[in-house]
Amino acid sequence: GAVVSQHPSWVICKSGTSVKIECRSLDFQATTMFWYRQFPKQSLMLMATSNEGSKATYEQGVEKDKFLINHASLTLSTLTVTSAHPEDSSFYICSASSGTSHTYEQYFGPGTRLTVT
Amino acid sequence: KNEVEQSPQNLTAQEGEFITINCSYSVGISALHWLQQHPGGGIVSLFMLSSGKKKHGRLIATINIQEKHSSLHITASHPRDSAVYICAVYNTDKLIFGTGTRLQVFP
Repeated sequence: GAVVSQHPSWVICKSGTSVKIECRSLDFQATTMFWYRQFPKQSLMLMATSNEGSKATYEQGVEKDKFLINHASLTLSTLTVTSAHPEDSSFYICSASSGTSHTYEQYFGPGTRLTVT
Repeated sequence: KNEVEQSPQNLTAQEGEFITINCSYSVGISALHWLQQHPGGGIVSLFMLSSGKKKHGRLIATINIQEKHSSLHITASHPRDSAVYICAVYNTDKLIFGTGTRLQVFP
């Protein structure tokens, strides 16, 4: 159990366009979803935390107008990278938890590799 | 200094060897995660523990809260164990990640 999927698994887009990444919890209700970013050979960096039905909480230094997060249901959260630029190229990973506290176990998606040309 | 330190950073082993990866942290935690990240990038949760020891197959994880230290052991290692192993701790409102240990197991 506790499967989280992401779509797409990889995407290439042109600079200036927007890209939407979906994160779904397949067999449980995800009260909280987390979005992470990972650069090559580096650790995961938390971008934002989203609770179903409320606005996402962004980490310091993450532009909320650039990285739009929507958590419209208990099984789906989306991250939209708006006006993407080459420096946004990265590996984006979501995780989902059945609780609102960070002490609930997080289950990770397979990640989405974004390349902006 | 990182709040979560892992050692070693890189590890190579021959198939069948016993492997230990260490994690030390400097913050108060409520629980600790061991994660496995394969070359394709996907992350699998191996263990979440807050005390004592957990075992799953060939994997064993231990934690000593007083010493702020956790270890991940792999018995009878196999090439398919090759991956990056990440220690992450739950501290108040966020998960803090170590930089990972890259393990390569050769046949």
